[in-house]
Amino acid sequence: KAGVTQTPRYLIKTRGQQVTLSCSPISGHRSVSWYQQTPGQGLQFLFEYFSETQRNKGNFPGRFSGRQFSNSRSEMNVSTLELGDSALYLCASSLSPSSYNEQFFGPGTRLTVL
Amino acid sequence: AQTVTQSQPEMSVQEAETVTLSCTYDTSESDYYLFWYKQPPSRQMILVIRQEAYKQQNATENRFSVNFQKAAKSFSLKISDSQLGDAAMYFCAYRSGSTQGGSEKLVFGKGTKLTVNP
Repeated sequence: KAGVTQTPRYLIKTRGQQVTLSCSPISGHRSVSWYQQTPGQGLQFLFEYFSETQRNKGNFPGRFSGRQFSNSRSEMNVSTLELGDSALYLCASSLSPSSYNEQFFGPGTRLTVL
Repeated sequence: AQTVTQSQPEMSVQEAETVTLSCTYDTSESDYYLFWYKQPPSRQMILVIRQEAYKQQNATENRFSVNFQKAAKSFSLKISDSQLGDAAMYFCAYRSGSTQGGSEKLVFGKGTKLTVNP
């Protein structure tokens, strides 16, 4: 069974631009979560989607948004990029939002904002 | 809000030796899960071991075991017979057992970088 895939793997943007990152969960998984990883702040929760609905959102500005499609694939969008948005963005999928279910992580998208 | 603290930014161990990584957490909940994740350099994060708070018995997975002290809110990871492939960032994480309000996010500690010396 294929793992969680994220595209693109690397991305370079300039301040003020917007970016869209994609995450394809493991087949059969319907819950997708996004995390931002930076050296300074560590791993921080962005949002979680299940059945095309956002169930939970972390403490990030409105420039960060996401969505989930009917096939469970998810995208996150960051508008008006800032230098501080440079980070590794991780996606994790699980069967459902239940805390009992293991979250499987993708390889991440490394975003660099110049 | 729940918090997770890893007080050791870096640790090193000799190959074949044993090392213990520390983690403390703060919560007012009684139902929760604790995890140790491993993130090798430039590779995907993988789950090493998990512990349900309602279980008194410490979890074990091959060379990995935990010391779960619920009253002290401590959750340390012991790696026995360390191997070169164990070198990685290790993250301690907390997840609420509540199913209300979409609270199932993972709350991570800052991580401990483990170096294994040959």
